[in-house]
Amino acid sequence: GENVEQHPSTLSVQEGDSAVIKCTYSDSASNYFPWYKQELGKGPQLIIDIRSNVGEKKDQRIAVTLNKTAKHFSLHITETQPEDSAVYFCAASNRDDKIIFGKGTRLHILP
Amino acid sequence: GAVVSQHPSRVICKSGTSVKIECRSLDFQATTMFWYRQFPKQSLMLMATSNEGSKATYEQGVEKDKFLINHASLTLSTLTVTSAHPEDSSFYICSASKNTEAFFGQGTRLTVV
Repeated sequence: GENVEQHPSTLSVQEGDSAVIKCTYSDSASNYFPWYKQELGKGPQLIIDIRSNVGEKKDQRIAVTLNKTAKHFSLHITETQPEDSAVYFCAASNRDDKIIFGKGTRLHILP
Repeated sequence: GAVVSQHPSRVICKSGTSVKIECRSLDFQATTMFWYRQFPKQSLMLMATSNEGSKATYEQGVEKDKFLINHASLTLSTLTVTSAHPEDSSFYICSASKNTEAFFGQGTRLTVV
């Protein structure tokens, strides 16, 4: 089955700087790669996703890149703000819609 | 987007009792829903796939007789934790897919005392 590795587990960046979180996946059949933000006590919220037919996608301060050959994908957050502090999960999915999550990255935005 | 509603958001039960958690897709029909468990400071672990009108598919290591799943309609799946024990205390989250995008419920914090 699919295995998703995510790093770093914890990331602290100064407010205004950029944050990068990286993930790898194992199943070449995976074709959908969502990223979720989870705040304490709440379910995960989709923030951006990318499908295997594109290499990059951007939405305001958030961008995701995908390298299918290397089976890795990354989340980039620019101009970080205090409200970006949360736990972020990458995930991979194939045609059966199962979402397999990475272990998460706790992002701290420092004032 | 789409809305998935989960109820209750919090439940405390005594050891040995059973607890039912509901997951509803409010504005779309979902033939498949998923149940996850999340321990503190850990990731979401897929427990089972809930299939409307048929048996659920459980992930390896998940006891099907302990975590009963019923998906009786296209908008409702239920997870029943039977004979709950303190080690079952966790955050349980459901999801449903619409157009291959997954939408998550708010989660249920189960505490077994």
